[in-house]
Amino acid sequence: GESVGLHLPTLSVQEGDNSIINCAYSNSASDYFIWYKQESGKGPQFIIDIRSNMDKRQGQRVTVLLNKTVKHLSLQIAATQPGDSAVYFCAENTGGFKTIFGAGTRLFVKA
Amino acid sequence: DAGVTQSPTHLIKTRGQHVTLRCSPISGHKSVSWYQQVLGQGPQFIFQYYEKEERGRGNFPDRFSARQFPNYSSELNVNALLLGDSALYLCASSFHGQGGGDTQYFGPGTRLTVL
Repeated sequence: GESVGLHLPTLSVQEGDNSIINCAYSNSASDYFIWYKQESGKGPQFIIDIRSNMDKRQGQRVTVLLNKTVKHLSLQIAATQPGDSAVYFCAENTGGFKTIFGAGTRLFVKA
Repeated sequence: DAGVTQSPTHLIKTRGQHVTLRCSPISGHKSVSWYQQVLGQGPQFIFQYYEKEERGRGNFPDRFSARQFPNYSSELNVNALLLGDSALYLCASSFHGQGGGDTQYFGPGTRLTVL
């Protein structure tokens, strides 16, 4: 069946360091991937997305990498700040209506 | 511009009761999706509506139903509540609800507690 999972449930980084959050997916038909950030008491917030015809996409302080060969997705956050502390979800979509979320990784940023 | 809004913010019900949750999408968005998020897990897809029609349904029992109104707002109804229905219910809106770049924007959610 379909699944999107994360390698690490928690990640702790020092303020100013770079963070890398990893995600594995199992549905080779997925062609659209999204990273969301969820702070306590709030709904998921869109960070960045990538289509399957790309292997890298950059935003403001964030980069998403897609490796279709090994079905792996990663989110890189540059110069991590205390405000980046949250749970991060990767999600996949096969071009239809259903978006499948992973379990999430909690990022702690130490000052 | 207003984002996705949901009401109520919190709700406490007892087993067997019925609940109705409401969602207003971002202006101009015609698709609304509902998700259930149990504590410590990622959101699970329940329904998607587009132009008042149900486009898709996740693996949830018939106790869960929804509808979309002409103004594109939506209601999620859950009958015969069980303890396991306790969760954060999230609404997300998008332009047309198809993947491949149609970004979903989430509301703050409704926290439902079933006692």
